Amino acid sequence: EVKLVESGGDVAQPGGSLRLSCAASGFTFRSYWMNWVRQTPGKGLEWVANINQDGSEKDHVESVKGRFTISRDNAKNVLYLQMNNLRAEDTAVYYCARDSQALDYWGQGTLVSVSS
Amino acid sequence: SYVLTQPPSLSVAPGKTATLTCGGANIGRKSVHWYQQKSGQAPLLVIRSDSVRPSGIPERFSGSNSGNTATLTISRVEVGDEADYSCQVWDSIIEQPIFGGGTKLTVL
Repeated sequence: EVKLVESGGDVAQPGGSLRLSCAASGFTFRSYWMNWVRQTPGKGLEWVANINQDGSEKDHVESVKGRFTISRDNAKNVLYLQMNNLRAEDTAVYYCARDSQALDYWGQGTLVSVSS
Repeated sequence: SYVLTQPPSLSVAPGKTATLTCGGANIGRKSVHWYQQKSGQAPLLVIRSDSVRPSGIPERFSGSNSGNTATLTISRVEVGDEADYSCQVWDSIIEQPIFGGGTKLTVL
């Protein structure tokens, strides 16, 4: 059974940092692109970042470039999102999702709240 | 960048057919995926590549895509189908996934 479990969400102050993790199991993690997608309370889904199988290719939505960094550890089957210089508008539930052209499996999400 | 437009809400009676639309310029040339998100839950892929149903998704869910509109059709709607439905494509210009704003389906 494919399982994705996010952790690391918390309350942070503007300008602060958090690192999100996504533990994967039930599939060959190193064979898939992986994504982070966020959802602001009551709003739609917004893609945040993706990374290829070996971590050599990655991309981020313009609004987080220079502040967030996606990475992965294929030995540990874990996906990460390092979030620096957090802003109020980064407040959202962050999901990791497996990529097989469509986003076919999603974790349950972890809540990031940025507030002073 | 590419924009996907979905009606914010749709109401349908149980047993009827729900037709959810996703509009975009020449969307028929793109591969469209649909996600269902029930309250408090993670998104679930219900249709991939315009019309392919993933394993475990009921046959009541079907998809089509042509011209400027992609459509998710839910036949014989059940109370349990009440959820937000979002469409998604790959924007080949900025090389990133794009989501529509979602349609909240109410079954009453």
